[in-house]
Amino acid sequence: QVQLQESGPGLVKPSQTLSLTCTVSGGSISSGSYYWSWIRQPAGKGLEWIGRIYTSGSTNYNPSLKSRVTISVDTSKNQFSLKLSSVTAADTAVYYCARLTLGHYGENAYYFDYWGQGTLVTVSS
Amino acid sequence: DIVMTQTPLSSPVTLGQPASISCRSSQSLVHSDGNTYLSWLQQRPGQPPRLLIYKISNRFSGVPDRFSGSGAGTDFTLKISRVEAEDVGVYYCTQATQFPYTFGQGTKLEIK
Repeated sequence: QVQLQESGPGLVKPSQTLSLTCTVSGGSISSGSYYWSWIRQPAGKGLEWIGRIYTSGSTNYNPSLKSRVTISVDTSKNQFSLKLSSVTAADTAVYYCARLTLGHYGENAYYFDYWGQGTLVTVSS
Repeated sequence: DIVMTQTPLSSPVTLGQPASISCRSSQSLVHSDGNTYLSWLQQRPGQPPRLLIYKISNRFSGVPDRFSGSGAGTDFTLKISRVEAEDVGVYYCTQATQFPYTFGQGTKLEIK
């Protein structure tokens, strides 16, 4: 059973950089069948996709955050990471890492099938 | 960006009765490969989202068959044939056809 676990500071000061890591267990992050994503959810609000990374290091970001986001992967540790720079209070949210399955049995199928429990990051001085 | 609009935003349902949630996208969700990457997620209180349905109508592993999805193009529906107490939560539609991936605003399912 694949499991994802977010880790990182729960409090970040305004203008600083938010850094989170997602550790994948029960499966290899190097599998070519998946992308690895970050998604966030402000308290009481909906979900916002931040970006995704492939095992090769290829990335795609949400244009609304692209200038501030970097997602990277460390296959040796089976982890991928998120950095969000110049944070403000608007970046306060629960941050989830999730697996995006590309398909199976020869068919394409893009969906988020496994999620971490989420980690609350508060931006405050 | 593709805007996903869900209705209703809140749905009080009697146990054992059916429930239906609609999701409309601002553009067609048919991908250039011919597939439609529309999924439904369930988020129980205090929990991360959980995949229910992918590619419009495919139930994910372990999802009860009282959940079903339908639709095409820009209009999609999630149906619960007989609501159970454990179905309480917020339901989201999401598209992975076009960047950036987007989500509906969520529909809160509650028991009357």
